[in-house]
Amino acid sequence: GAVVSQHPSWVICKSGTSVKIECRSLDFQATTMFWYRQFPKQSLMLMATSNEGSKATYEQGVEKDKFLINHASLTLSTLTVTSAHPEDSSFYICSAKAGGPAETQYFGPGTRLLVL
Amino acid sequence: GQNIDQPTEMTATEGAIVQINCTYQTSGFNGLFWYQQHAGEAPTFLSYNVLDGLEEIGRFSSFLSRSKGYSYLLLKELQMKDSASYLCAFMDSNYQLIWGAGTKLIIKP
Repeated sequence: GAVVSQHPSWVICKSGTSVKIECRSLDFQATTMFWYRQFPKQSLMLMATSNEGSKATYEQGVEKDKFLINHASLTLSTLTVTSAHPEDSSFYICSAKAGGPAETQYFGPGTRLLVL
Repeated sequence: GQNIDQPTEMTATEGAIVQINCTYQTSGFNGLFWYQQHAGEAPTFLSYNVLDGLEEIGRFSSFLSRSKGYSYLLLKELQMKDSASYLCAFMDSNYQLIWGAGTKLIIKP
């Protein structure tokens, strides 16, 4: 099956710092990658959709300048949380799909961010 | 508009069978997905239905009725490791996944 990795799996940082999270598709080329956020005991919330080589499409209410997404290659997308604050503490999960728009999304293992 | 609904929590006994229902409303539909999510982990893909009928995946089966806007995930021979949240999501006309809030399944010995 398709394997997606994320790095790091855990981040603890001070308020005001920036944090970069990497998402990689290991055994397939991902035409589209997605970034989700999930707070405890809540459902997945889509933050943005990114296609390789183009700007990400952000969901309503998600600040583009705060959550910078780069999808530089078909196997790598990065999410940078700039000037992180305690309310940004959450579980960030990426997913990736290959091929056409109806393809299955495969999730990375997620990154837990704790901002002190 | 679009919406999707599934029960918040269900409890079942080890070895038994449980059915988790999911209903949805949408004008454009490109399939329905079921994912399993253990506590503290990311979701893992279970099944995809785009045509009416039953798909079997080992001890699990997923059913879809497009005319009724209805799907269910059937879990047989329940094991303790099946305790998890089960997320249904449909793909809309823009190929975007619309997620349910998840059903937390509690398995008791």
